[in-house]
Amino acid sequence: AQKVTQAQTEISVVEKEDVTLDCVYETRDTTYYLFWYKQPPSGELVFLIRRNSFDEQNEISGRYSWNFQKSTSSFNFTITASQVVDSAVYFCALTDAGYSTLTFGKGTMLLVSP
Amino acid sequence: EPEVTQTPSHQVTQMGQEVILRCVPISNHLYFYWYRQILGQKVEFLVSFYNNEISEKSEIFDDQFSVERPDGSNFTLKIRSTKLEDSAMYFCASSPSREGYEQYFGPGTRLTVT
Repeated sequence: AQKVTQAQTEISVVEKEDVTLDCVYETRDTTYYLFWYKQPPSGELVFLIRRNSFDEQNEISGRYSWNFQKSTSSFNFTITASQVVDSAVYFCALTDAGYSTLTFGKGTMLLVSP
Repeated sequence: EPEVTQTPSHQVTQMGQEVILRCVPISNHLYFYWYRQILGQKVEFLVSFYNNEISEKSEIFDDQFSVERPDGSNFTLKIRSTKLEDSAMYFCASSPSREGYEQYFGPGTRLTVT
């Protein structure tokens, strides 16, 4: 069975601070895919990144970076120099090979204050 | 940029009534999904749909739920006899392919059952 754990329920930072959102996953498959989605206060779910289990290379996109470590079953998300617009709930999600359904974590609410 | 659209944005209904939630997926996508998010909780998979039939469904998706693609553009979720616990945000998503591809979500329909 798949499981995604986001242990941080809520994080509060001040603008320009760096923040890391943790994601730990469980799966029996050797091939799987990991995702991060952002849910701003307006409620929609915005796709941020996809990673497959064979690609452990870290990725950077502007102020966002992702650290995928199979050895610890983690796929952490770092926002550098946070901004107020980063305030949202961030969800980590997982799907196994052969399936398409996303299993989501409970989400981490990030509050960035000016 | 193509996007998934959903109507209505908010639906209020009485317990026992039937509701139909509508979605227009991204036009060249082949896989369609419904998820729900009870207020403050994680996003949960309901059903996936491909080639005019259900490909996967969760335990939540019982006989009260049905999905349909009545024409080439719309994708609907019907709840036959709503219960109080059906109150949630319902998200439609679509994907160009099945395994491991990112799913693009619509803005959601907030369903309130009174």
